[in-house]
Amino acid sequence: DAGVIQSPRHEVTEMGQEVTLRCKPISGHDYLFWYRQTMMRGLELLIYFNNNVPIDDSGMPEDRFSAKMPNASFSTLKIQPSEPRDSAVYFCASSFSPRGVAFFGQGTRLTVV
Amino acid sequence: SQQGEEDPQALSIQEGENATMNCSYKTSINNLQWYRQNSGRGLVHLILIRSNEREKHSGRLRVTLDTSKKSSSLLITASRAADTASYFCATDPRNAGNNRKLIWGLGTSLAVNP
Repeated sequence: DAGVIQSPRHEVTEMGQEVTLRCKPISGHDYLFWYRQTMMRGLELLIYFNNNVPIDDSGMPEDRFSAKMPNASFSTLKIQPSEPRDSAVYFCASSFSPRGVAFFGQGTRLTVV
Repeated sequence: SQQGEEDPQALSIQEGENATMNCSYKTSINNLQWYRQNSGRGLVHLILIRSNEREKHSGRLRVTLDTSKKSSSLLITASRAADTASYFCATDPRNAGNNRKLIWGLGTSLAVNP
């Protein structure tokens, strides 16, 4: 398996624009997680899915953030409208269990100017 | 807030020396994991230690867990420049109810100088 695949690797966008981050989890993993990493706040869990169903979205910072998982092999994290404070590295991870070993993608570095 | 707290925040050593990082946590756990993150990359799982285990080895890595002190340490022996990375601990809290997610620390940044 190629591991967790995220795209794009880098995204630079202007404030107010819509941003969509994509993730393909490892086949067979039932859990998918979206994390945000910044120097100030470290690694924050935004939302996670179990069998394509959102289980806990308490980490999603605002209504501007939304996440979907239409099928077992694809998920998106959307920010609309984007703001400079959304600049961070966003990671997708997948796992067999919610608190087991997590496999991370390479991340998407988002810069909102 | 993060339950896991690693210390030191940053560590700089010479190649060949041992590196020790610590992780403290607040509530009882089922297990604790250590991850490595190289610059610009995703986190990579290193080792998982269960609450009923006291020590675990994997190659040059040794992890200890002291549940009475609610702390864990990661020892990297005979460090190499390639060990330069950030190291994170993640805990699986016991009795978390429906809050079924890992709790992450802020990480220790390790620099191994050639």
